[in-house]
Amino acid sequence: AQTVTQSQPEMSVQEAETVTLSCTYDTSESDYYLFWYKQPPSRQMILVIRQEAYKQQNATENRFSVNFQKAAKSFSLKISDSQLGDAAMYFCAYRVSNTGNQFYFGTGTSLTVIP
Amino acid sequence: EAQVTQNPRYLITVTGKKLTVTCSQNMNHEYMSWYRQDPGLGLRQIYYSMNVEVTDKGDVPEGYKVSRKEKRNFPLILESPSPNQTSLYFCASRRQGARGTEAFFGQGTRLTVV
Repeated sequence: AQTVTQSQPEMSVQEAETVTLSCTYDTSESDYYLFWYKQPPSRQMILVIRQEAYKQQNATENRFSVNFQKAAKSFSLKISDSQLGDAAMYFCAYRVSNTGNQFYFGTGTSLTVIP
Repeated sequence: EAQVTQNPRYLITVTGKKLTVTCSQNMNHEYMSWYRQDPGLGLRQIYYSMNVEVTDKGDVPEGYKVSRKEKRNFPLILESPSPNQTSLYFCASRRQGARGTEAFFGQGTRLTVV
């Protein structure tokens, strides 16, 4: 069974500092995708970053980067130079390969940014 | 603008009164799905559809129905809503046949069943 675990229900960070959100997953597949979604108070689900399992290089999108450890089945999100607009619920998600029908989501981490 | 549109955004209803939440996407995506979001549980898939007239159950399908008569629309039907279906619902779509495509989500529908 595919499961995604986010062990940090809540995190906080000072504005301009760096924070890392943790995510682990369980799978027997070798080809899959991992995603981080952001859900601000507006409830809209916004894609932050994606990682393809067959790529060794960690994905980066501006201030957002991941640390993908395939053997450890770990996929953490690092937010650098945190901004007030980064405050949101963050969900880690997993999907099997190109034909995977289902996204599996973690339970979310609520990030507070302290001015 | 490429988007997934859900309606209504907020709905309060009574137990047993049939309701439909509509979902429409303008990106010609083959794949559409419904999720419910509950505190401490994340998002869980209710139903999904690979294309017109092709639907299948997700992890929590009990009490829900769907249909996919047109590619752009994927309504969620609650024939006899119960209070345990009070939740935040999301419709999502994505393109098939491309690696790593993410899901695009609607704005969410907050449903309260009293």
